[in-house]
Amino acid sequence: DAKTTQPTSMDCAEGRAANLPCNHSTISGNEYVYWYRQIHSQGPQYIIHGLKNNETNEMASLIITEDRKSSTLILPHATLRDTAVYYCIVRAINSGGSNYKLTFGKGTLLTVNP
Amino acid sequence: NAGVTQTPKFRILKIGQSMTLQCTQDMNHNYMYWYRQDPGMGLKLIYYSVGAGITDKGEVPNGYNVSRSTTEDFPLRLELAAPSQTSVYFCASSKAKRGYNEQFFGPGTRLTVL
Repeated sequence: DAKTTQPTSMDCAEGRAANLPCNHSTISGNEYVYWYRQIHSQGPQYIIHGLKNNETNEMASLIITEDRKSSTLILPHATLRDTAVYYCIVRAINSGGSNYKLTFGKGTLLTVNP
Repeated sequence: NAGVTQTPKFRILKIGQSMTLQCTQDMNHNYMYWYRQDPGMGLKLIYYSVGAGITDKGEVPNGYNVSRSTTEDFPLRLELAAPSQTSVYFCASSKAKRGYNEQFFGPGTRLTVL
């Protein structure tokens, strides 16, 4: 799996957009970019994923650069409840057992301030 | 749907004791996983299963055993508890679909071995 690099921590003001970067310069053509988050003391929660096109859902937007070597997760209007550790994960499309496991790094601690 | 449920929420074991962490999902997912998360670290895969009767090792399987007799249940067994197994344990499940990797996580079991 391609390795990802994320900042250790970030701050954001409540109501403002939170932009979380992720570098994955060794990503290969069959690998998706996934984002999960983990609110303190809870299990991780899926946010969004994409291959090469930008994606948007009710939680967030995912912007992937044209060369696919980096991406940005955007929370358009951050709230205090968005304070969490955000994980950027790169994973192959391949089918079958072990290929579905996720490798979590340390992620980015996003703190949303009032 | 209740999603992924785990019991117990908390447990304290003495060295050498054994216990089973329970995990149940009601989403009819074929794939199930056990992760552990040590303080300040990301999640590490212990075992996974691609369907009833099929299990395989993840990154850190030593000291653990699993079984998958039904689609819904995926218990994790600790036979001889050691202090190094003090951690938070998360169970997850996902569909078996090519390119799809939204994993649903349970609330976790916090285990302390003294």
